[in-house]
Amino acid sequence: AQSVTQLGSHVSVSEGALVLLRCNYSSSVPPYLFWYVQYPNQGLQLLLKYTSAATLVKGINGFEAEFKKSETSFHLTKPSAHMSDAAEYFCAVISNFGNEKLTFGTGTRLTIIP
Amino acid sequence: ETGVTQTPRHLVMGMTNKKSLKCEQHLGHNAMYWYKQSAKKPLELMFVYNFKEQTENNSVPSRFSPECPNSSHLFLHLHTLQPEDSALYLCASSQGWELFFGEGSRLTVL
Repeated sequence: AQSVTQLGSHVSVSEGALVLLRCNYSSSVPPYLFWYVQYPNQGLQLLLKYTSAATLVKGINGFEAEFKKSETSFHLTKPSAHMSDAAEYFCAVISNFGNEKLTFGTGTRLTIIP
Repeated sequence: ETGVTQTPRHLVMGMTNKKSLKCEQHLGHNAMYWYKQSAKKPLELMFVYNFKEQTENNSVPSRFSPECPNSSHLFLHLHTLQPEDSALYLCASSQGWELFFGEGSRLTVL
């Protein structure tokens, strides 16, 4: 079975500081991993995805994530936070491509402190 | 603009009402989904349609009735709902594993 855990339901960072949102997955086979962002009163939008190519994946809005198999992690980072980054972020995994659907984490709400 | 349009964006209904949520995708995708997003809960997959055929129903109560007349349109018919059904209902489409979401329909059941 596949699962994903997001550590920290709320994260606050100062504007200009490093953003680090944590995601750990559980999967018996190599997974595909995704980060989605949800701005207030909107649906989810894909930030970036890992599909077994390069382990460092770059996404939109300056975000990137690194797939680390040894740590079963796919943490999301951005070097310098901007006020517009305030949103909820969801990590998602899929591994059993025949039968499974995307499994989402519970989300991390990112607050940016001016 | 994600290519997935949901209407209405907001809906308030009583427990005895019948209403419907509509989703339309302009991406040419073959799969469409309904998700429920409640506060402090993970995103819940409700229904999946592939090529208009329902391929997944995650033990959703029968007061939620999906309809997929073609690959571009998806409806969620609602009747005799409960207050705990108040949530954001998200529609998504996909061609492969990447989901494209609509902006959601915020449902409040009084």
